[in-house]
Amino acid sequence: LAKTTQPISMDSYEGQEVNITCSHNNIATNDYITWYQQFPSQGPRFIIQGYKTKVTNEVASLFIPADRKSSTLSLPRVSLSDTAVYYCLVGASNYGQNFVFGPGTRLSVLP
Amino acid sequence: GAVVSQHPSRVICKSGTSVKIECRSLDFQATTMFWYRQFPKQSLMLMATSNEGSKATYEQGVEKDKFLINHASLTLSTLTVTSAHPEDSSFYICSARGARTEAFFGQGTRLTVV
Repeated sequence: LAKTTQPISMDSYEGQEVNITCSHNNIATNDYITWYQQFPSQGPRFIIQGYKTKVTNEVASLFIPADRKSSTLSLPRVSLSDTAVYYCLVGASNYGQNFVFGPGTRLSVLP
Repeated sequence: GAVVSQHPSRVICKSGTSVKIECRSLDFQATTMFWYRQFPKQSLMLMATSNEGSKATYEQGVEKDKFLINHASLTLSTLTVTSAHPEDSSFYICSARGARTEAFFGQGTRLTVV
């Protein structure tokens, strides 16, 4: 399983764009990159998933360079409610592969 | 996104008793379900992975006889903490994955053993 490395914590201010980068140097050919958000005492919530290049949905964008050894989650115009822990996971989509969580990035959005 | 329901959300039990936690995928068929535990200020720790109709695969250091996992149908998996002790108090979270590549998580269960 590909190991991931993320910053332990980040601070931002309301209205700013936040970019969280995840390193996954030994990502495998059939691995996808998935990001989750977790609030205290809640289960993680799916944010976005990608395989290569750029993926965008209503809440975030995911940028993946050609070598796929890293990825960047971009949150546009964060608000106080975006304060949470963000996890980057790398894993295969085929049957039976599991998801192992790293330590995540604790994002604090300040007023 | 898909919905995964976990029940109960919190439970308090006496030391030595067993507790069952249910995890249901409400609008999709979950071929694989995962169980995690999480201590305060820490990341999720994978306990076991179960595929429908098969025995669960436990991570190293997780006692299979203490944490019984059953995944008898494509929409339900259960985790039973047997003979619970205070050190088993934790936040337990399930997730489920079906045909799509991402997994969806339950709300979590706060277990307190007194």
